[in-house]
Amino acid sequence: GAGVSQSPRYKVAKRGQDVALRCDPISGHVSLFWYQQALGQGPEFLTYFQNEAQLDKSGLPSDRFFAERPEGSVSTLKIQRTQQEDSAVYLCASSSALAGTDTQYFGPGTRLTVL
Amino acid sequence: DAKTTQPTSMDCAEGRAANLPCNHSTISGNEYVYWYRQIHSQGPQYIIHGLKNNETNEMASLIITEDRKSSTLILPHATLRDTAVYYCIVRHKAAGNKLTFGGGTRVLVKP
Repeated sequence: GAGVSQSPRYKVAKRGQDVALRCDPISGHVSLFWYQQALGQGPEFLTYFQNEAQLDKSGLPSDRFFAERPEGSVSTLKIQRTQQEDSAVYLCASSSALAGTDTQYFGPGTRLTVL
Repeated sequence: DAKTTQPTSMDCAEGRAANLPCNHSTISGNEYVYWYRQIHSQGPQYIIHGLKNNETNEMASLIITEDRKSSTLILPHATLRDTAVYYCIVRHKAAGNKLTFGGGTRVLVKP
């Protein structure tokens, strides 16, 4: 079946612009995660949803970052007033959350470049 | 979640087995060892996970020491397409638990 998809794959924004990044998880997956990966670093956790509920947003770096998953499937990560330090690859992962099967599957990521 | 220590980089020859070590000396009894890899410009890919028994799947084998303080990921016949950064992660097995990535091991498979 289809894996996790993300769009756009690449986004260039001018400093101060707002951006919206989309994640389509694997169909039926209850859990959805967002990670941020700076160049040359491992991914870092941003936020976690179980269905439509955002249960953990401890990794969001500032109040300019906002994520939503209103119907418990597609999720959007929004960054307001982008700064150069927001340049990174944003990864989305989903998992089924069934007992014993919590493996997270990742999408290809969105590479955000803020000029 | 327990911290892991991996070598920064390693080379291996195409067709040979690649053995990737990971130390996790502070692992607790109910924490699992997970391995992911990330090929250039792609998202991380799940490889394998285990608790205390050795595990094998179509991609790799995972050998966990009896005291669970270290483990080794074995790629039995490395190919050029196995060139990637390999991450060893220790975490509790629950749906909402995030993955905490370290620096990983950059593996270069050479012809």
